[in-house]
Amino acid sequence: DTGVSQDPRHKITKRGQNVTFRCDPISEHNRLYWYRQTLGQGPEFLTYFQNEAQLEKSRLLSDRFSAERPKGSFSTLEIQRTEQGDSAMYLCASSLAPGETQYFGPGTRLLVL
Amino acid sequence: AQSVTQLGSHVSVSEGALVLLRCNYSSSVPPYLFWYVQYPNQGLQLLLKYTTGATLVKGINGFEAEFKKSETSFHLTKPSAHMSDAAEYFCAVNAGNNRKLIWGLGTSLAVNP
Repeated sequence: DTGVSQDPRHKITKRGQNVTFRCDPISEHNRLYWYRQTLGQGPEFLTYFQNEAQLEKSRLLSDRFSAERPKGSFSTLEIQRTEQGDSAMYLCASSLAPGETQYFGPGTRLLVL
Repeated sequence: AQSVTQLGSHVSVSEGALVLLRCNYSSSVPPYLFWYVQYPNQGLQLLLKYTTGATLVKGINGFEAEFKKSETSFHLTKPSAHMSDAAEYFCAVNAGNNRKLIWGLGTSLAVNP
């Protein structure tokens, strides 16, 4: 069990650029979640997958955001035309099944200049 | 809908003193409740969780929490604080079919020598 990994750990980009983050969940975990955390706040739910199916998207996830989990293993989160308000920590978590403990990766910290 | 309220965004205790971090929740269905800890520049780590059964749950690092349905509370305690306990603590509720986590705003714990 190597834990949840995320890449990159840090990303600095200019406004208007596209960025993509990757999350590798714990192997055999069917559920994968994306959250966003801004300074001084708790994490906010963005979206989740059951295997390769994306089952729910938060209203926080504008049409500039897209997430995929093509083979039910790793997932990517892409932000197009980044805005300064997108600056945050993006967290990925996985769990074996609904209701089971969600294990978190270290996060990707995004700074949009 | 589910929600979590953490009373006190900052708590300061002396080393060796009792730690009490407060969490109240709202849920229309039986909740699963979690406490996570976040150290600076690190991901979220599970301290303990309540799903069903015994209402007093013990976690890592000497922490415990008691689920009180009548008070809709899940307060976190530790009898004697250590300097290493200084961190951000988050309470979360996990309910509904999608089992996404709904988070409180967090409580920053400072431990003074």
